[in-house]
Amino acid sequence: AQSVTQLDSQVPVFEEAPVELRCNYSSSVSVYLFWYVQYPNQGLQLLLKYLSGSTLVKGINGFEAEFNKSQTSFHLRKPSVHISDTAEYFCAVPGGTNAGKSTFGDGTTLTVKP
Amino acid sequence: SQTIHQWPATLVQPVGSPLSLECTVEGTSNPNLYWYRQAAGRGLQLLFYSVGIGQISSEVPQNLSASRPQDRQFILSSKKLLLSDSGFYLCAWSGGSWGEKLFFGSGTQLSVL
Repeated sequence: AQSVTQLDSQVPVFEEAPVELRCNYSSSVSVYLFWYVQYPNQGLQLLLKYLSGSTLVKGINGFEAEFNKSQTSFHLRKPSVHISDTAEYFCAVPGGTNAGKSTFGDGTTLTVKP
Repeated sequence: SQTIHQWPATLVQPVGSPLSLECTVEGTSNPNLYWYRQAAGRGLQLLFYSVGIGQISSEVPQNLSASRPQDRQFILSSKKLLLSDSGFYLCAWSGGSWGEKLFFGSGTQLSVL
């Protein structure tokens, strides 16, 4: 069985400040990890993914995440956020050959204030 | 390139009325198709998935049904809507390989009044 826990439901930050959105996982199989972003009233889109190799993964819009096996974490970071980064962010473990059975976290709402 | 279309974007329906939400995918063949519901302030709940025409798997018992009449068409329906059916409905597709990502439609905001 696999599960994903997003430790913060709401993260408010000021523009140009750094941000970290936390995600912990548990999985009994090889770990792939995804971060999706959902802008208001839109579907989700892939931000970045870890499949194997380097534990530091770079994604779109200046985001990056680090896979930490010992701490079972995959935290998302950005050194300087913009107003346009305001969105909901979901950590997910894909569902094997059935991607739709991915396990999603409950989401973290990032609000960037001017 | 692949695209996914979902409509309508918003829908307000009275309790007891029928529902039909449609989703189509372009630029790929034999996709896996999914319907999710996202309640306000909560994560995603997988409702149905389909790995081929006429093949529907339901994840949770509910007032909704799904159909896949064509390879790239996925329909979410209800005969009589309940207040609890309100939410944001998302269609998505993926390939069939291990660890693939999901491609989401833009969603339908359904309000049942």
